[in-house]
Amino acid sequence: KAGVTQTPRYLIKTRGQQVTLSCSPISGHRSVSWYQQTPGQGLQFLFEYFSETQRNKGNFPGRFSGRQFSNSRSEMNVSTLELGDSALYLCASSRQARTSGGEYQETQYFGPGTRLLVL
Amino acid sequence: AQSVAQPEDQVNVAEGNPLTVKCTYSVSGNPYLFWYVQYPNRGLQFLLKYITGDNLVKGSYGFEAEFNKSQTSFHLKKPSALVSDSALYFCAVRDQAAGNKLTFGGGTRVLVKP
Repeated sequence: KAGVTQTPRYLIKTRGQQVTLSCSPISGHRSVSWYQQTPGQGLQFLFEYFSETQRNKGNFPGRFSGRQFSNSRSEMNVSTLELGDSALYLCASSRQARTSGGEYQETQYFGPGTRLLVL
Repeated sequence: AQSVAQPEDQVNVAEGNPLTVKCTYSVSGNPYLFWYVQYPNRGLQFLLKYITGDNLVKGSYGFEAEFNKSQTSFHLKKPSALVSDSALYFCAVRDQAAGNKLTFGGGTRVLVKP
């Protein structure tokens, strides 16, 4: 079974531009989460999508947005890029958000990430 | 709010010696705990998780972790380290109250010397 794929792998943008990153989850996985990884702040949760709906959101400004399509593929968009947005953006997928008992037990599997450099 | 602490930025160990990477956590409810490993220019690879049941969890590549509720710890261990185990290791916790969100520790760099 193919893993989580992310495109593009590398991206260079300039301040003020916008960028769209794409994530294709593992087949059958319906939950997609996004994380930002930087040397200073570590790994931080951006948001999670399940069945085309944002279920959870981290503490990031409104310039960061996302969406999920009916085939579970997800995109995240960053508008008006700032130097501090330079980071590795990781996407993770899991099979379902909750068990029948209402608990989150599923493992999140991560893609290779998109490395964004803002100049 | 949930939090994870990895007190060591780096752990150095000789090949063949035991490896331990420390992790402590804080959550309001029952913790779901995870370990991931990251190699240079790669994403995170899942190693193991604790949901419920036995406190000793066995995972991939010979790694195991021990859940200790009283000490709120989930240390990662490997009996005999390999040079190829050199990587960045992350502990993460998922609090049911926070949904599917993972909160990560700052990471511990492991260097295994031949």
